[in-house]
Amino acid sequence: QQKVQQSPESLIVPEGAMTSLNCTFSDSASQYFAWYRQHSGKAPKALMSIFSNGEKEEGRFTIHLNKASLHFSLHIRDSQPSDSALYLCAVSISAGNKLTFGIGTRVLVRP
Amino acid sequence: VTLLEQNPRWRLVPRGQAVNLRCILKNSQYPWMSWYQQDLQKQLQWLFTLRSPGDKEVKSLPGADYLATRVTDTELRLQVANMSQGRTLYCTCSAAGQGDERLFFGHGTKLSVL
Repeated sequence: QQKVQQSPESLIVPEGAMTSLNCTFSDSASQYFAWYRQHSGKAPKALMSIFSNGEKEEGRFTIHLNKASLHFSLHIRDSQPSDSALYLCAVSISAGNKLTFGIGTRVLVRP
Repeated sequence: VTLLEQNPRWRLVPRGQAVNLRCILKNSQYPWMSWYQQDLQKQLQWLFTLRSPGDKEVKSLPGADYLATRVTDTELRLQVANMSQGRTLYCTCSAAGQGDERLFFGHGTKLSVL
């Protein structure tokens, strides 16, 4: 059964700094890797995803995937107070459905 | 643009009673509908994915029993029974395999045990 773990559990980041979040998974057959963000009292929302090894950048967000290491990460450049949220990583054997989520990293960006 | 209409938003459930949840898909481009639960510690867990009208599945997990039904192409239902701890149930939809792999979440239904 897929195990997905996130680190750190929580993070306090000054406004304007880089936020770095980590996710490890256990099933080497995993094909789809994603980050979701959940603001307090709201539903999770997809941030970005990746299928193949390497890096993908969208605006201030960059995702890195290393399948051999069973690890992927999310980096947020120029962090803003509005980035304060619970960040959930998710992994799937096939895209879209039956995602296995990590427990989340709670991020607080201090002005 | 809201892809999913999920109700109720919140329900207080007397111990031993079942509750019925409903989710309506507003955009047929995202036909794969699923239920996820999020516990009080914020762990999000997949429950079911039902693609076709008439599909039904049951599942028992720690703290609740579930019966999910895909009623039509646009309606998904969930019955939650024997719930012992509060949780939030999310209806989701996705295009899965059609170029857009994102999972879209409904507002969620927060269930509390009375």
